[in-house]
Formats: sequence, C-alpha cells, structure tokens
Amino acid sequence: GAVVSQHPSWVICKSGTSVKIECRSLDFQATTMFWYRQFPKQSLMLMATSNEGSKATYEQGVEKDKFLINHASLTLSTLTVTSAHPEDSSFYICSARGGAGGSSYEQYFGPGTRLTVT
Amino acid sequence: GQNIDQPTEMTATEGAIVQINCTYQTSGFNGLFWYQQHAGEAPTFLSYNVLDGLEEKGRFSSFLSRSKGYSYLLLKELQMKDSASYLCAVRERRELIFGTGTRLQVFP
Repeated sequence: GAVVSQHPSWVICKSGTSVKIECRSLDFQATTMFWYRQFPKQSLMLMATSNEGSKATYEQGVEKDKFLINHASLTLSTLTVTSAHPEDSSFYICSARGGAGGSSYEQYFGPGTRLTVT
Repeated sequence: GQNIDQPTEMTATEGAIVQINCTYQTSGFNGLFWYQQHAGEAPTFLSYNVLDGLEEKGRFSSFLSRSKGYSYLLLKELQMKDSASYLCAVRERRELIFGTGTRLQVFP
C-alpha cells in the first residue's frame, strides 16, 4: 500500500528558532500534499494544500510567512515553522494524494511530527 | 462555511455495537471518509462513501445520506483495541475537512 513518511517524528526547539519537517511519499507520486495541525484532544485542522511545483494554498488564519511550505518534487514536501513560539507546539501531520501507485480517492497520512517549543 | 459535527465522547462495552454519527454542512462534497486515530498517532483510513447507502467492511460499516448531510460509522463486535478517536472527514474539493472527532472508550 501507499506509504507516507515524516521526519523527524518529534523535535524540541527553542523559541525563536526555525524547524523543518519533511514529508515523503515512498511508493507513489503525490500530486497533492496537505499539512494538518492537531492540538491535544482536538481534531485535525487543515493548514495548507500544495501541488508539486506551485505555491501552497493556505487556509484562513494560517500565516504563510510563518509556515513555509515547499513541494519541490512529486515525492517530497517540507513545512518550515519559522521563528517558532511555544504556541506553535503541536502535532503536525502531512498527507498525500494522487498519482500512480496510490488510489485516486484515498488520502494517505504520515505518522506525524510532534513539535515542542520551549 | 464548513460545519462537521460529531459527538465528543462515547462509551461502549466489549462485544457490543456502537454507532457514531456525523452531520455536515460544507460548500462542496466529493466524498465522506472515516478515520481511526489512536492517541499520538496519525489517522488510519477506515471507509469512504461518495454515493448514498451502506458500505460494509468487516466489523465496520459506514452509511451516507447526501440529502440529509448525514453519515454514521457502525462498529460491531467491539474490541478493547477499538478504543480510539474516530474522525469524520468531508472532501470539499481536493482537501479533507475533518469533523470534531469522537473519542470512543470500550470497557470490558
């Protein structure tokens, strides 16, 4: 089946620093990738949608200058949290869809990255 | 706007049947998904409905009524490992919009 990986699985950083999270589709080409954020005991909130080679579309209320998304290839998307603050501490989950090797309707989720900003 | 509602918490007994409801109001509709999520892990796919009716998959079934903006997930023969959050999600255009999620606790 289609597999999506994320790296790192967890990260602790100091306030003011930047953190990059990678999302890879391992056995299929992801034409579209999604980034979600999940706070404890809450559901997933969509942050942005990106297509390979084009700019990401951000959801209302998500700062595009703070959460930089790069979808440079059909198998890799990165999310960079710039100038992180404690309120950015959350579980970040990427998801990928589409292309050969993956189903046309299903969205495959990565294992998530837990970010803690101290 | 988008509105996808589920009960916040449910409890049930091992071996029983539980139905988790989801109502939605979205600007677009390209299918409804159910996911299971254990604490600290990513969601895993359970079911997908795009036409009205019931989809059965082992112990799990999912129902959709597009005219009523309503879906449910039915879990039969509950097991302790079914204790998890269950997320209803609607695909509006390309993206999945998630509901509030239902935390299900199964007791012996």
